[in-house]
Amino acid sequence: NAGVTQTPKFRVLKTGQSMTLLCAQDMNHEYMYWYRQDPGMGLRLIHYSVGEGTTAKGEVPDGYNVSRLKKQNFLLGLESAAPSQTSVYFCASSAPPGQGEREQYFGPGTRLTVT
Amino acid sequence: DAKTTQPPSMDCAEGRAANLPCNHSTISGNEYVYWYRQIHSQGPQYIIHGLKNNETNEMASLIITEDRKSSTLILPHATLRDTAVYYCIVRVQGVGAGGTSYGKLTFGQGTILTVHP
Repeated sequence: NAGVTQTPKFRVLKTGQSMTLLCAQDMNHEYMYWYRQDPGMGLRLIHYSVGEGTTAKGEVPDGYNVSRLKKQNFLLGLESAAPSQTSVYFCASSAPPGQGEREQYFGPGTRLTVT
Repeated sequence: DAKTTQPPSMDCAEGRAANLPCNHSTISGNEYVYWYRQIHSQGPQYIIHGLKNNETNEMASLIITEDRKSSTLILPHATLRDTAVYYCIVRVQGVGAGGTSYGKLTFGQGTILTVHP
């Protein structure tokens, strides 16, 4: 049981390039989330999904797109990277209400630098 | 979600209890108190949560005041590996309007706990 995994662990992009971050979970969780964490700050929610095929905006969605084609995967895309998107990105998953578990399980993070 | 206030940093000696306070004076009746921690460069880790009763698990205890305006996370025997940033979060548990409000944790600055030998 690997929990939540993220690919890649590190990436350096040039301004204007695009990339996709992959999050995978093997806990059969319905809910998945993408956060970003800037130096010295708490996490901020980018987008989230309450089930396969559904996504919703969080606090800071601009510049990002997401897709949830399979229940176990949640993809975060940057179409045209900007230096302001330099950050550490965390994915998380959780069970929906009524199924016992309430906490979110986090992945190890992806460190992205945009030059 | 209710706003929380935590001290920016605390120290604790190894083997002693670490008591981390959190103020949440605007908490609503259906809002839970959650605690997470983040060890350097890792993803946040869930510790414990509660509504109004005190809670205990294998990691920690959570003491919530009767008026629910503050709480304390207790690590009974702190070790060096407990050095981390601890986040106190207050949020509604459950599905909101349209099924889209569940699970949004609002992380503040947290408390940097340093456990020293």
